[in-house]
Amino acid sequence: DSGVTQTPKHLITATGQRVTLRCSPRSGDLSVYWYQQSLDQGLQFLIQYYNGEERAKGNILERFSAQQFPDLHSELNLSSLELGDSALYFCASSTGFSRIAKNIQYFGAGTRLSVL
Amino acid sequence: GENVEQHPSTLSVQEGDSAVIKCTYSDSASNYFPWYKQELGKRPQLIIDIRSNVGEKKDQRIAVTLNKTAKHFSLHITETQPEDSAVYFCAAPYSGGGADGLTFGKGTHLIIQP
Repeated sequence: DSGVTQTPKHLITATGQRVTLRCSPRSGDLSVYWYQQSLDQGLQFLIQYYNGEERAKGNILERFSAQQFPDLHSELNLSSLELGDSALYFCASSTGFSRIAKNIQYFGAGTRLSVL
Repeated sequence: GENVEQHPSTLSVQEGDSAVIKCTYSDSASNYFPWYKQELGKRPQLIIDIRSNVGEKKDQRIAVTLNKTAKHFSLHITETQPEDSAVYFCAAPYSGGGADGLTFGKGTHLIIQP
């Protein structure tokens, strides 16, 4: 167990709908990352939050958004869902960001999203 | 962002033999290179990592080497065992030298033949 908690484990929804994925980081970690894993795109970085603020953006679609709350849990919101959004969504956490220290990321178990 | 290429996509070795997986990266500012192992249906788990000021790092049967000049790094697994069967991913910082998200290679499916 990595200490990173993601809910729900599975989510089935229809095209055009909106869903919210939730992540609780490891105790003491300030950074949260979201990744999407699919067969065709592989494991892709979407977005990072650090202590409530957006830190870095990756390949995140405009239909997707995220936020990190004062208690450091994070939510990834996916809207206007398309069939191609079906994937495994991982959250990872780390202690923070620094140009000096290693930035070891610990992954949650993921949320499997199926868009029908 | 960073671009990471990983080879081979599938690697089959006999139990007890060695396995080598290679990755190249594009951004010379990248300074941190982790390797993750992912078993079927499970989360990626860090198995070893290396920073750019080190050329090699070992942890029991696993080692990683880094060539900054050529911008490539490799994972070496010796005395392979059935439990080594999994998909292995190399990674580098998405934006080069910063501590932000990771860009992953496409993965190598390692198969250990009994």
